[in-house]
Amino acid sequence: AQSVTQLGSHVSVSEGALVLLRCNYSSSVPPYLFWYVQYPNQGLQLLLKYTSAATLVKGINGFEAEFKKSETSFHLTKPSAHMSDAAEYFCAVSDRGAGGTSYGKLTFGQGTILTVHP
Amino acid sequence: DAGVTQSPTHLIKTRGQHVTLRCSPISGHKSVSWYQQVLGQGPQFIFQYYEKEERGRGNFPDRFSARQFPNYSSELNVNALLLGDSALYLCASSLEWGYSNQPQHFGDGTRLSIL
Repeated sequence: AQSVTQLGSHVSVSEGALVLLRCNYSSSVPPYLFWYVQYPNQGLQLLLKYTSAATLVKGINGFEAEFKKSETSFHLTKPSAHMSDAAEYFCAVSDRGAGGTSYGKLTFGQGTILTVHP
Repeated sequence: DAGVTQSPTHLIKTRGQHVTLRCSPISGHKSVSWYQQVLGQGPQFIFQYYEKEERGRGNFPDRFSARQFPNYSSELNVNALLLGDSALYLCASSLEWGYSNQPQHFGDGTRLSIL
């Protein structure tokens, strides 16, 4: 079974500081990994995805993530935080069935709430 | 282009009642998935439908059911509501089924409160 662990339920940074949100996964097959952001009272918006091409993935709003197989990690970073980045962030792994088919199931971490201070 | 649309946005029910939630996928998307997000937790997978057939089911009781219509829209039904069913119910759509690298696009959800 696949699983995702997000280290740190709350992260607080100052505006302009580096953002680092941690995600570790467990998967018996090469994973597909995603980061989503959720603003209050809204659904999930895709930030970026890793699908076994480049290990450094660039997403929207200046975010990027690096897939490290040896560390089973997919941490999300942004060089300079902006007030508008305050939200909850979810790391997710996609289920892959036998033969390359998928049940379309995303398994999410518990989420990390990012607070940005002026 | 319109994104995934869900209705209603908010709903209040009492224990034992039944509820139907609706979802319209992005135009051209054929696969719809449902997730339950309890306050303070990540979303949990409930169902996925493709071409009107159930393609995946999460660890939820039989009180939860769903269906997909020929126009690819979907309904989630929950019977005999319990207090623990209070959550944000999210619908997500993707182009096809069988491609794990396809992202799922989420609607804003239906907030269900059980009294």
